[in-house]
Amino acid sequence: GQNIDQPTEMTATEGAIVQINCTYQTSGFNGLFWYQQHAGEAPTFLSYNVLDGLEEKGRFSSFLSRSKGYSYLLLKELQMKDSASYLCAGTDSWGKFQFGAGTQVVVTP
Amino acid sequence: ETGVTQTPRHLVMGMTNKKSLKCEQHLGHNAMYWYKQSAKKPLELMFVYSLEERVENNSVPSRFSPECPNSSHLFLHLHTLQPEDSALYLCASSQQGASGRAYNEQFFGPGTRLTVL
Repeated sequence: GQNIDQPTEMTATEGAIVQINCTYQTSGFNGLFWYQQHAGEAPTFLSYNVLDGLEEKGRFSSFLSRSKGYSYLLLKELQMKDSASYLCAGTDSWGKFQFGAGTQVVVTP
Repeated sequence: ETGVTQTPRHLVMGMTNKKSLKCEQHLGHNAMYWYKQSAKKPLELMFVYSLEERVENNSVPSRFSPECPNSSHLFLHLHTLQPEDSALYLCASSQQGASGRAYNEQFFGPGTRLTVL
């Protein structure tokens, strides 16, 4: 099984940077996904890390350290539309997902 | 629009009612999933169907009954639910690789917001 831990809520101002940490304890860990979920909408895929290091996609970057059981999602140049819940999910070698409870990011003007 | 649709979007039912949730994926995927999302809690995996066969049932009460008639459609039949079953029910699909291993991301539908009175 897997345990996924991430903060419940984070607040930041428009234009700032926010880093959402995620730690996992898992057997048979394969990779780590980040999803974004706006209120009342479907979770949408943001990133997938299977190797150690940083993956950059525009304003969003995701980092993985397999030896430390740690990942983070970095959101740069925050915009109001980035206010959402961000879900960390670990997968095992069979593709089974284990989600964290999500981090609610609140962007203020 | 993720290519996964769910109906209805909202459902209110009494504890003695019988209703069904429907999910349809237009992505050509071969695996479909039902999740339950309660406030402040992680997404809970309920059922997994791979190639139309149920491959996982995570100790879900029998008042929830899934059905997968083909690889594009998934249903969740509900009967005699409890108020604690009120939640957002999300359907997802993915493409599983060889030997049942799924490395690709899951695509989620918008969910059905269920309220049990």
